[in-house]
Amino acid sequence: KNEVEQSPQNLTAQEGEFITINCSYSVGISALHWLQQHPGGGIVSLFMLSSGKKKHGRLIATINIQEKHSSLHITASHPRDSAVYICAVRSSETSGSRLTFGEGTQLTVNP
Amino acid sequence: NAGVMQNPRHLVRRRGQEARLRCSPMKGHSHVYWYRQLPEEGLKFMVYLQKENIIDESGMPKERFSAEFPKEGPSILRIQQVVRGDSAAYFCASSAGLNQPQHFGDGTRLSIL
Repeated sequence: KNEVEQSPQNLTAQEGEFITINCSYSVGISALHWLQQHPGGGIVSLFMLSSGKKKHGRLIATINIQEKHSSLHITASHPRDSAVYICAVRSSETSGSRLTFGEGTQLTVNP
Repeated sequence: NAGVMQNPRHLVRRRGQEARLRCSPMKGHSHVYWYRQLPEEGLKFMVYLQKENIIDESGMPKERFSAEFPKEGPSILRIQQVVRGDSAAYFCASSAGLNQPQHFGDGTRLSIL
């Protein structure tokens, strides 16, 4: 079993819909990252969080440390949001800053 | 304020050749990480370096792969005697400190003929 599990693997939405992507992890963590990978392949860091909730524009990330679960929400989705969204954790059980990644969620937003 | 710069963006090598991938971290960042993304797979950690030191190389294959981050110049990921299975996207990330956000480069797509 992977240390980081994401759901769903694939998600198709209509423009304007509210989107939720989930991430569960099985290790103690010091931080959790949400990343966005566009079709061209580049990776953009969206959020780094260790507790609570963060918001940036139409994106909201939440984390529940006790339940070892995080969600990424996109409000008023747009076709330009189409990308792979990746959850990654930094374990508190190992030294260093290495990240362990989920398999990613492929999001397609249709106009 | 340039981000993490990786070059080349695309690299084609024949089996048995050497591949050298370069990563210049963001200004002010002294921590560099290399990750590999095999086709149809997720990202996997390879190595974590600080200036002139390898901190964690537990994700590196035991043979043919090496990494360095010299006092001057970019970090280099070197793959000797490449094989078809080395075909992947290699991403570099940098951070200002141990618990700081990591910023990613655009990656190098390595293709082995």
